[in-house]
Amino acid sequence: QKEVEQDPGPLSVPEGAIVSLNCTYSNSAFQYFMWYRQYSRKGPELLMYTYSSGNKEDGRFTAQVDKSSKYISLFIRDSQPSDSATYLCAMNGGNKLVFGAGTILRVKS
Amino acid sequence: DAGVTQSPTHLIKTRGQQVTLRCSPKSGHDTVSWYQQALGQGPQFIFQYYEEEERQRGNFPDRFSGHQFPNYSSELNVNALLLGDSALYLCASSPLGTSYNEQFFGPGTRLTVL
Repeated sequence: QKEVEQDPGPLSVPEGAIVSLNCTYSNSAFQYFMWYRQYSRKGPELLMYTYSSGNKEDGRFTAQVDKSSKYISLFIRDSQPSDSATYLCAMNGGNKLVFGAGTILRVKS
Repeated sequence: DAGVTQSPTHLIKTRGQQVTLRCSPKSGHDTVSWYQQALGQGPQFIFQYYEEEERQRGNFPDRFSGHQFPNYSSELNVNALLLGDSALYLCASSPLGTSYNEQFFGPGTRLTVL
């Protein structure tokens, strides 16, 4: 079993929709939870990070962490075609980041 | 302020050959990590360098080795290349002391092994 599980999608939504992306994990030692966005043929770009359980909002993006369920989410409001990318969840495992496989998101105009 | 830079952008090698990939970290960063990202997968941690020493290593064979220079730039070397080494190799840099281990990624080097 992988330490971090993420549905690869693809997830296809119309412009303006609310998008929900999720990851589950097995290692209860993880404390920092991150979401990266990766466009085709580019390196991952950090979107948001959250420490321990709770919510964090940044513009159209909201990150949620539920450590009791080992479940994290990223919500995107008013999705735009420019949001089309692969979204990677990541968690800190010591000095390294442990990534999910990434979810491909397509926002149709 | 330049971000993380990597060279070359693309590389094609044949099985059994050796390859060296290079990374310059973001200004002010002294820690460099390397990741391998196979097609359709998330990045997998190879190793991390700090103060010219390998600080942590992931589950990769000894064919993968690295080096960090006094100016904090880094190299990733892969010997005896296998077809399965074909991937995007990502370098990430971070400032020491970042509490959540924030890592900034470069654009990657795409390695194809034939």
